[in-house]
Amino acid sequence: EDQVTQSPEALRLQEGESSSLNCSYTVSGLRGLFWYRQDPGKGPEFLFTLYSAGEEKEKERLKATLTKKESFLHITAPKPEDSATYLCAVQVQNDYKLSFGAGTTVTVRA
Amino acid sequence: DTEVTQTPKHLVMGMTNKKSLKCEQHMGHRAMYWYKQKAKKPPELMFVYSYEKLSINESVPSRFSPECPNSSLLNLHLHALQPEDSALYLCASSQESSGSYEQYFGPGTRLTVT
Repeated sequence: EDQVTQSPEALRLQEGESSSLNCSYTVSGLRGLFWYRQDPGKGPEFLFTLYSAGEEKEKERLKATLTKKESFLHITAPKPEDSATYLCAVQVQNDYKLSFGAGTTVTVRA
Repeated sequence: DTEVTQTPKHLVMGMTNKKSLKCEQHMGHRAMYWYKQKAKKPPELMFVYSYEKLSINESVPSRFSPECPNSSLLNLHLHALQPEDSALYLCASSQESSGSYEQYFGPGTRLTVT
């Protein structure tokens, strides 16, 4: 069975304090790993897709990386507006289903 | 434009009511999804439509009935719901072509069953 584990569950940062979120996964035949950001009461917002080990994607203060067993989401010099829950999801070949991790809730204090 | 729209934003219904949730996308995506999300939990897949045909039903109770009238629209018909069905209902779509499998989510409908 596909498993996706995110850590930590919660992360409290001071503004400007860089950190990383982890997503470890166990799947057979990975098609893609996806990162989403979700604000309270809203739908998840797509951030990145990673397809193969060694791949990296960047967007503003966020950078996502992928290995064969895990993915990291690095937040560089975060701002309060980066506060959200970050969800990791994996999809296997020939399947529509996303298997989500439980998420990491990030709070950035000014 | 990567927008998925959902109506209504909020819905309160009694256990004997019949209501419908609506979702629309104009990105030319060929797959559309319904998810259910409870507080502090990740989204759970309910249904998948691919090329307007039901592809996946994740053992969802029959009081939830999906419908895909055309390639841009997705409905979720609700009947005789239970209080435990109260949740955020999310619609999503994806292109499903080589190199483009990410799902784009709508803002959701907050459903309360009384």
